[in-house]
Amino acid sequence: EIVLTQSPGTLSLSPGERATLSCRASQSISSTYLAWYQQKPGQAPRLLIYGASSRATGIPDRFSGSGSGTDFTLTISRLEPEDFAIYYCQQYGSSPPWTFGQGTKVEIK
Amino acid sequence: QVQLQESGPGLVKPSETLSLTCTVSGGPISSYYWIWIRQPPGKGLEWIGYFHYSGTTNYNPSLKSRVSISGDTSKNQFSLKLSSVTAADKAVYFCARGDALTGMALEYWGQGTLVTVSS
Repeated sequence: EIVLTQSPGTLSLSPGERATLSCRASQSISSTYLAWYQQKPGQAPRLLIYGASSRATGIPDRFSGSGSGTDFTLTISRLEPEDFAIYYCQQYGSSPPWTFGQGTKVEIK
Repeated sequence: QVQLQESGPGLVKPSETLSLTCTVSGGPISSYYWIWIRQPPGKGLEWIGYFHYSGTTNYNPSLKSRVSISGDTSKNQFSLKLSSVTAADKAVYFCARGDALTGMALEYWGQGTLVTVSS
């Protein structure tokens, strides 16, 4: 099973600041199969990024993804009030289970 | 617009079988991958498994002995059964759609349904 470790656990930032979230895999995965999701309280996760760097439909361009192999990053260039939430990475490679990271909470400083 | 809606009992007794259905509207289930995911209160997301319209299924090894996912194309629904439940199975259960064109990313989700295990 591929383990995804996200860091930091919590990121305390102010609106307008840049957020950099990390997702590290226990073994190399194809970039094609790495996604990022945003989840707000009481809601289902929302797909932000798929294929490590492609934005999903309707996602603002302040969200960007990068990385390859075992190290992936989600960057929010300028935090808007609605961006404070929990973010999860997920891998869905050739061998299930398709695991999620434990999440990074982006909170208002 | 694709929409998914979970339904089923919100309370299940220990040792019994949890049964949930996801009704899909806005497109046929005879395409794509149809997935169940759960989230214990205050915790992270756990992938349970998927059903593909071809009949293929795949399950999380940690749950494989207790889980079954199936689909009904005539009703445009797919279902989850989890047997021998315990308190550890209390969670919000989500259904979602995976698209091979986006590398199986989950673009469409149901709103989730909370299942509690208690006698």
